[in-house]
Amino acid sequence: DTEVTQTPKHLVMGMTNKKSLKCEQHMGHRAMYWYKQKAKKPPELMFVYSYEKLSINESVPSRFSPECPNSSLLNLHLHALQPEDSALYLCASSQGGGTHQPQHFGDGTRLSIL
Amino acid sequence: ILNVEQSPQSLHVQEGDSTNFTCSFPSSNFYALHWYRWETAKSPEALFVMTLNGDEKKKGRISATLNTKEGYSYLYIKGSQPEDSATYLCAQPRSNDYKLSFGAGTTVTVRA
Repeated sequence: DTEVTQTPKHLVMGMTNKKSLKCEQHMGHRAMYWYKQKAKKPPELMFVYSYEKLSINESVPSRFSPECPNSSLLNLHLHALQPEDSALYLCASSQGGGTHQPQHFGDGTRLSIL
Repeated sequence: ILNVEQSPQSLHVQEGDSTNFTCSFPSSNFYALHWYRWETAKSPEALFVMTLNGDEKKKGRISATLNTKEGYSYLYIKGSQPEDSATYLCAQPRSNDYKLSFGAGTTVTVRA
């Protein structure tokens, strides 16, 4: 079982809907990440939170809005998404920053935009 | 090499056979090289974080080597089993922060 929990596992929404993806970890990790993964492509980094502060935004459109309410939780708020936003959204966490820390991933949320 | 590249894209191996595949990466400003295993319908799992030229790491029947001067890493699977079927991703931090650049992966299918 993964130690990073993502909900929901699947989400279908219309372009006018507002929904949120949730991610939770209880490993005491201080860095949390959102990735987007399209079929047969590598995961692409969207956001990084370090010590509950947004440290990296990879020029993600504003229709994606991240939130880190506390050190264990990471949300991704979705509004007015486009069909091309359909993808697998992965959450990950790591013990800290730096290059030697492996990332621990959740199972992902499969998002479909109608 | 400007990006992280993996080859082959996919491979099929008979149960019991050994196999290996490659991750190529920019050798300048090297910090580390990560390997992950991603089984279908599961989450990516960290296998190794490699940092030193000549490093060799092992986890069960899976091992990896690192050549930072020429910019490549090999992952080996010895005596492949059906449970080794997965996509194997390598990733490289491109700076001294949290950002990982992933390769597209090598999908291994072990046939019984």
